[in-house]
Amino acid sequence: DAMVIQNPRYQVTQFGKPVTLSCSQTLNHNVMYWYQQKSSQAPKLLFHYYDKDFNNEADTPDNFQSRRPNTSFCFLDIRSPGLGDAAMYLCATSRDQTASGEQYFGPGTRLTVT
Amino acid sequence: AQSVTQLGSHVSVSEGALVLLRCNYSSSVPPYLFWYVQYPNQGLQLLLKYTSAATLVKGINGFEAEFKKSETSFHLTKPSAHMSDAAEYFCAVSDLMFSGGYNKLIFGAGTRLAVHP
Repeated sequence: DAMVIQNPRYQVTQFGKPVTLSCSQTLNHNVMYWYQQKSSQAPKLLFHYYDKDFNNEADTPDNFQSRRPNTSFCFLDIRSPGLGDAAMYLCATSRDQTASGEQYFGPGTRLTVT
Repeated sequence: AQSVTQLGSHVSVSEGALVLLRCNYSSSVPPYLFWYVQYPNQGLQLLLKYTSAATLVKGINGFEAEFKKSETSFHLTKPSAHMSDAAEYFCAVSDLMFSGGYNKLIFGAGTRLAVHP
């Protein structure tokens, strides 16, 4: 089945220690998104890629970076995680950038910062 | 700018009772509207979407939603709740940014549905 895969599902890192979260998709979609979702809150868009074009949300901290080496994979790098970065990180894809297009979400990676 | 308001952060119903989750939006242009469901420690799954075709939209798991332009609403309903419906539900509106032209979802704060026997 075509899907969005996130690894690992649970990640524990230490305060200030760089961490990378991974997302892959078999849908061959052009757009990939990264969201941060804190407990009992709505997902918050961090950035997205349309093909290789990177689009950062204005309020995304510099501590968060992303890479998309090819169509299938996208990575979220947190350079120096703080306690406030503990959250669920969701990857999503969409076929294109039309407003009616639905987004397909992965299962998420829950990040704990100790 | 577009926004979404979900009335009621928590809704509790009995098994077999009607489910009604409320969503109001603000938009200066005809919107695209979505309902997503999230089970604990899972990603979001699309329940249904409105894209300006029929105003009554049927989705998965017996859910449906009606787009009412005059009320700027897109409430989610299900005639008979099941225990497995217990989850978080998010209403979202699509914001096509003219400068960038990308599909950005604006989410409501979510409604947690509890179903009790």
